[in-house]
Amino acid sequence: GAGVSQSPSNKVTEKGKDVELRCDPISGHTALYWYRQSLGQGLEFLIYFQGNSAPDKSGLPSDRFSAERTGGSVSTLTIQRTQQEDSAVYLCASSLLETQYFGPGTRLLVL
Amino acid sequence: AQSVTQLDSHVSVSEGTPVLLRCNYSSSYSPSLFWYVQHPNKGLQLLLKYTSAATLVKGINGFEAEFKKSETSFHLTKPSAHMSDAAEYFCVVSGNSGYSTLTFGKGTMLLVSP
Repeated sequence: GAGVSQSPSNKVTEKGKDVELRCDPISGHTALYWYRQSLGQGLEFLIYFQGNSAPDKSGLPSDRFSAERTGGSVSTLTIQRTQQEDSAVYLCASSLLETQYFGPGTRLLVL
Repeated sequence: AQSVTQLDSHVSVSEGTPVLLRCNYSSSYSPSLFWYVQHPNKGLQLLLKYTSAATLVKGINGFEAEFKKSETSFHLTKPSAHMSDAAEYFCVVSGNSGYSTLTFGKGTMLLVSP
């Protein structure tokens, strides 16, 4: 079956612009996670959704970052007023139980 | 809180020789542990997981890992490396929050030479 998909695969933007990153989880997976992978920082947890609720937003690095999930399925991560330090690969994962399955990521470059 | 330490940032082996990627963890409870692999410009793929059943866990592509509580280790091994094994490997521990936020190690890059 289909795995986790993310779009776009690559995004280049200018500093100060807003970006939206999309994640389509595996059908039926109730939990959805966003992570950021950057050089020197490794993989960092950003936010967790159970259904449409986000009980854990502790990893969001600033109030410029927000995420939502609709219909218990698709999620969008929004970064407002992007900064160069936001450049990273943003990974989405979904799970039904404990094991998380990852998408291919969105590579974001902020110029 | 939990943490993961991958002891080597890079490991180089020759094709056909054994692979050992080392991982130590710290956790205040009985953790679930995972190894994921990431090929260049690809997402993370689950290799194997330990969830308190058998201490020796077999995964995909001939990899296995042994959970040693006394040593707080979860090293990844493979008897014979293949060129296609060249990738970055992450040791991961699962949180104890009722949901499984993952804590990742820094990763080990495996280089395989012919």
